[in-house]
Amino acid sequence: QVQLQESGPGLVKPSETLSLTCTVSGGSISTYYWNWIRQPPGKGLEWMGHIYYSGSTNYNPSLKSRVTISLDASKNQFSLKLSSVTAADTAVYYCARSDSWYSHFDYWGQGALVAVSS
Amino acid sequence: DIQLTQSPSFLSASVGDRVTITCRASQGITSYLAWYQQKPGKVPNLLIYAASTLQSGVPSRFSGSGSGTEFTLTISSLQPEDFATYYCQQLNSYPITFGQGTRLEIK
Repeated sequence: QVQLQESGPGLVKPSETLSLTCTVSGGSISTYYWNWIRQPPGKGLEWMGHIYYSGSTNYNPSLKSRVTISLDASKNQFSLKLSSVTAADTAVYYCARSDSWYSHFDYWGQGALVAVSS
Repeated sequence: DIQLTQSPSFLSASVGDRVTITCRASQGITSYLAWYQQKPGKVPNLLIYAASTLQSGVPSRFSGSGSGTEFTLTISSLQPEDFATYYCQQLNSYPITFGQGTRLEIK
């Protein structure tokens, strides 16, 4: 059974960089797309971007150039960096798997709440 | 970006009711649509993909239909555990987008 688990700081200061890692267990990181999605408190879901196991990425233009997703196949992990954060970036951050760029998200992590505050 | 508009945004219904939620896309997305259920404080759970394919393990009272720009999620007979928020998602083109959600509450 594939499992995903987000990890990283729960509190980030404004203007700093939010960093999260998603560890994949029970399956290989190869041949899939790995996504980041966020959900501000009480609001809907926003897709942030994804990375293919080969390293190719696609990002949501709404996040402009603030987001970077990377992958470490040797550790079965992929990571999210979001720079220049503000209070509007306070959200639960989820990682999720899809088997193609146009495919649904079948496995999700439990989510990591990240608050942006000084 | 492709906008997804769900209707209604809020729905009050009773156990045993048949419920339909609509998702309209701002442009055609063929059948690249998925539906998720999310309960408070929980992870979104995949219900339907490719507009009408039931995810393994999801009860058969859930069904999806549609193509192009209009899609529906139907729950044939509401159970107590179905009261949650439902989201549609389009995967036809970047950026991947979600509808605003439909909150289903007990009447």
